[in-house]
Amino acid sequence: RKEVEQDPGPFNVPEGATVAFNCTYSNSASQSFFWYRQDCRKEPKLLMSVYSSGNEDGRFTAQLNRASQYISLLIRDSKLSDSATYLCVVPFSGGYNKLIFGAGTRLAVHP
Amino acid sequence: DAGVTQSPTHLIKTRGQQVTLRCSPKSGHDTVSWYQQALGQGPQFIFQYYEEEERQRGNFPDRFSGHQFPNYSSELNVNALLLGDSALYLCASSFRGGSGEGRREQFFGPGTRLTVL
Repeated sequence: RKEVEQDPGPFNVPEGATVAFNCTYSNSASQSFFWYRQDCRKEPKLLMSVYSSGNEDGRFTAQLNRASQYISLLIRDSKLSDSATYLCVVPFSGGYNKLIFGAGTRLAVHP
Repeated sequence: DAGVTQSPTHLIKTRGQQVTLRCSPKSGHDTVSWYQQALGQGPQFIFQYYEEEERQRGNFPDRFSGHQFPNYSSELNVNALLLGDSALYLCASSFRGGSGEGRREQFFGPGTRLTVL
């Protein structure tokens, strides 16, 4: 089983839609989680951090289910500018700042 | 405030050659991590440097080596290049003094795109 698994997509949605991405992780000892956004041929950038059950920032909501080892990212009222790859990231437990990335989920928002 | 910088931006090499990639961390950061991102995949951890020592290493062969300098900048060296080494190489910097595991945000540089022919 991969350490971090994501649905690769692509998710093709119209502007204004609500879209949700899922991510599962294998290490039950993981305490914190991140969602990074990566635009085509650019570096990943931190979108949200999740330390407890969830986090909300404007149109973006991240939720954590520790029992199921599952993280989700919800985007409401999608914008064209949301088109990117969303990477689920789990710090390696016991390791210092070693990040384990999922393969990413591609989102394409169309007019 | 300059972010993480990497050089060169692009590089083309042939099989068997050696390559050196460079990274300057964000101001105030003391830890540098290197990642390899193949096309269509998420970044994979290569190794991390702190206080001029390799602190952690991912599942990469010894052909991959690195160095950190007193000014916290870092180099990634890859020897005996293989076609499969073609990828985007990302450098990320962070500050080790932050509180709580995983709370120390990593900032990524723009990457070096390496093509091995």
